[in-house]
Formats: sequence, C-alpha cells, structure tokens
Amino acid sequence: QSVLTQPPSASGTPGQRVTISCSGSSSSIGTNTVNWYQQLPGTAPKLLIYSSNQRPSGVPDRFSGSKSGTSASLAISGLQSEDEAVYYCAAWDGSLNYVLFGGGTKLTVL
Amino acid sequence: EVQLVESGGGLVQPGGSLRLSCAASGFTVSSNYMSWVRQAPGKGLEWVSVIYSGGSTYYADSVKGRFTISRDNGRNTLYLQMNSLRAEDTAVYYCARERGRGVISPYFDDWGQGTLVTVSS
Repeated sequence: QSVLTQPPSASGTPGQRVTISCSGSSSSIGTNTVNWYQQLPGTAPKLLIYSSNQRPSGVPDRFSGSKSGTSASLAISGLQSEDEAVYYCAAWDGSLNYVLFGGGTKLTVL
Repeated sequence: EVQLVESGGGLVQPGGSLRLSCAASGFTVSSNYMSWVRQAPGKGLEWVSVIYSGGSTYYADSVKGRFTISRDNGRNTLYLQMNSLRAEDTAVYYCARERGRGVISPYFDDWGQGTLVTVSS
C-alpha cells in the first residue's frame, strides 16, 4: 500500500483545467520535493515534473506542479485528449530511505 | 540519444532465479545512479533497487536479501539478479537513470521499455 495517497481517478473535458492531488507525510513530501510521471497506456512512465515544480525540456507548460506542507498537486490546463493517462507522484521518504510512489490517478478526458 | 533496453524477463517458477539486463546507449552507466522500478499487472510503480556511480547499492525491503543489482562497465549494462522469486514479484521491470539523489527527491528521467517477469507454477 502506497504511503503517498492519490485519488484513483480524475476527469475533465477538452480545454478544461484539472488538478491531481498527492498527500504524504512529514518524512516524505513534508521535507522533500515531489516528482510527477505520466504513463500512457502500454508505455513506460515519463518524467513530467521534478523538484516539485520544474518541467524537463519538451514537457508543455500546460503541466505545472506545486507543493504545500505534506501535499502536492499536479495541474493540467487546456486539457487535451492525449493527456489521458495515469499520473503518479513520487517523493523521497527520509524515514524509509527510499523513493515512494503514489498509487496513481487515471485521468479520463471526456 | 539516450536509450535503455531491458531483456531477460520470462516465466519462472516460485523459488527460481532470473537475471535481467538493461543495455544503455547515449550515456555511461557507471557515471550515473541507476535504478530498477517495477510495476505489478494493473498496479502502481514500486522502486526496487539503486546502484550509485560509486558502486554502493540499496534495496527496497521487499527484495532485500533476494535481489542483487550490478553493472558491467565494459558492456555499459545494468543487471538485476533475482533469486528466491515469489508470486508477488510478478511485474514489468523497468531500468531507469536516476538524478537528484542527495539534493532533491531522486527522479527518473530516462526509462527503458520494461521486461515482464512472471512467477508462477
């Protein structure tokens, strides 16, 4: 069972803005940065956001990340059909001493 | 161009062994932190193991004592030796290049396509 908690599903219509939350603890998100990955059906995960709010080159600025306290959020603006995927948050846990992943949020574009 | 290609997956009986390989191109494995991450069918991601550029290795509690991560610098290849396999080890195993450890939460910026390991009798 993941100790980073994400809603199992989210949805939105094209053009809409959606947010996905990720809740952790003081030893994970509370003291460490958060990363986000996008996994399209049948493919390997892809890095979307690192260090809570940094986008790797090539990731559209429609994707943004934020962190506050022991929670983090991924926001997707101008939703497109190709954004339909599973999104995972991840963070270092200083008590467990390894990287934790959230359980994933399946985003459906209606 | 960075590329990671895993191989070695397959069907193995409980208690058996398997060695996964991850051939890298476009960068030097030994100069980077390299991890294995797995994903059980229909489930989320789970970090498995890391090898530092200096050679130190670390494991998730779920595989400690059973799995061994290593690399061959001459072949620029990462390995995962998996022994005493259990049904719950059934997953797609990805190798990934890791960044940021020790400074920020480690993140994985390059991933292979994955190789499926099925543990079943």
